[in-house]
Amino acid sequence: SAVISQKPSRDICQRGTSLTIQCQVDSQVTMMFWYRQQPGQSLTLIATANQGSEATYESGFVIDKFPISRPNLTFSTLTVSNMSPEDSSIYLCSVERQGFYNEQFFGPGTRLTVL
Amino acid sequence: QKEVEQDPGPLSVPEGAIVSLNCTYSNSAFQYFMWYRQYSRKGPELLMYTYSSGNKEDGRFTAQVDKSSKYISLFIRDSQPSDSATYLCAMRADTGRRALTFGSGTRLQVQP
Repeated sequence: SAVISQKPSRDICQRGTSLTIQCQVDSQVTMMFWYRQQPGQSLTLIATANQGSEATYESGFVIDKFPISRPNLTFSTLTVSNMSPEDSSIYLCSVERQGFYNEQFFGPGTRLTVL
Repeated sequence: QKEVEQDPGPLSVPEGAIVSLNCTYSNSAFQYFMWYRQYSRKGPELLMYTYSSGNKEDGRFTAQVDKSSKYISLFIRDSQPSDSATYLCAMRADTGRRALTFGSGTRLQVQP
């Protein structure tokens, strides 16, 4: 499996501010994904981030609100901009390991609370 | 209607019981089926991975896929208190979108 770390692990932020979440992988991967998991809910895909191309956003998520960078094959960032309490959630990055099954592995998550 | 339906539970069983967790789905293009285990305040951990129909066994865990019924199951034998977690089914198609579609998760509590 891939070893994935995320920073910060948790944060409490004020309304209107922005937070950048980092995702680091221990090996080179082509595909990275950012998911959101709201309290007691399942995972919802925010965007797919491939190195060297613009991130692809899911319906309901826009680049101005959730800008993503993917500067190389082991790193990505997700920024949550102009935060409101509705953005309080766990943000998870995942990577796809290429092979027969192309398994996806998840980072530990960033727990965000917006006051 | 959601693409993937999963009973949210919670499901409470005594230690040693056989646990059955299930998901149904509507998209016939799904070919890859996964089960993730998520402990409280942790990221999802890949538990089982199946391609197309059939069974797969790994220790105390067995994953079953019935594509004709659009139904997948995860069985846990000799359940342990350490199995207490939320179990998420996930799936995706063979081509196109590579991201996973998740069920809502089932909370399992194994009582010692």
